[in-house]
Amino acid sequence: KAGVTQTPRYLIKTRGQQVTLSCSPISGHRSVSWYQQTPGQGLQFLFEYFSETQRNKGNFPGRFSGRQFSNSRSEMNVSTLELGDSALYLCASSSGTSGRPTGELFFGEGSRLTVL
Amino acid sequence: AQKITQTQPGMFVQEKEAVTLDCTYDTSDPSYGLFWYKQPSSGEMIFLIYQGSYDQQNATEGRYSLNFQKARKSANLVISASQLGDSAMYFCAMSYISNFGNEKLTFGTGTRLTIIP
Repeated sequence: KAGVTQTPRYLIKTRGQQVTLSCSPISGHRSVSWYQQTPGQGLQFLFEYFSETQRNKGNFPGRFSGRQFSNSRSEMNVSTLELGDSALYLCASSSGTSGRPTGELFFGEGSRLTVL
Repeated sequence: AQKITQTQPGMFVQEKEAVTLDCTYDTSDPSYGLFWYKQPSSGEMIFLIYQGSYDQQNATEGRYSLNFQKARKSANLVISASQLGDSAMYFCAMSYISNFGNEKLTFGTGTRLTIIP
């Protein structure tokens, strides 16, 4: 079955702009989590959506937001971009319903954002 | 709180040799999962292997095996017969069910593995 698809793969923005990233999970998966990866901070959890509802949120400012659609596709938005937002943004797909760790957690290729 | 520790920032290994990447974890949850991911320079996080905390046997996937020692809280990745294509960053991660019901990952800082011809 098709894997997790993230678009765009690469993008360049300038400070103050906003950006929207997209993630299509594996078919049948209802949970989408977003992670930010930077050289200084490593991989950090942003938020998770399940059935169009945000279930959990990491420690990021309100400029970072997201949503999930009825087909489980998710978007994340970063407004008023700062230089420090330059990172690889990864989304992970899972069923989200088992109530216990399952190992069914798969990542997309990521969207690499550069803020100038 | 959950924590993953990878103490090897970088490793150099001769091609065809076996390599062990270290990972220790800390959690008070009885139910958790342990993952290893490979991240090449392209950025994609490639799933390698998974071990559930209640699994009795060590997980294996082709050339990858996970040496799970629950009492010591370690989950080392063993790659047999290393290949040049194994050169990448390797992350150990632990998953658990958060208070909000989602499966959440905590990552280690990673080990950069370089295979030498």
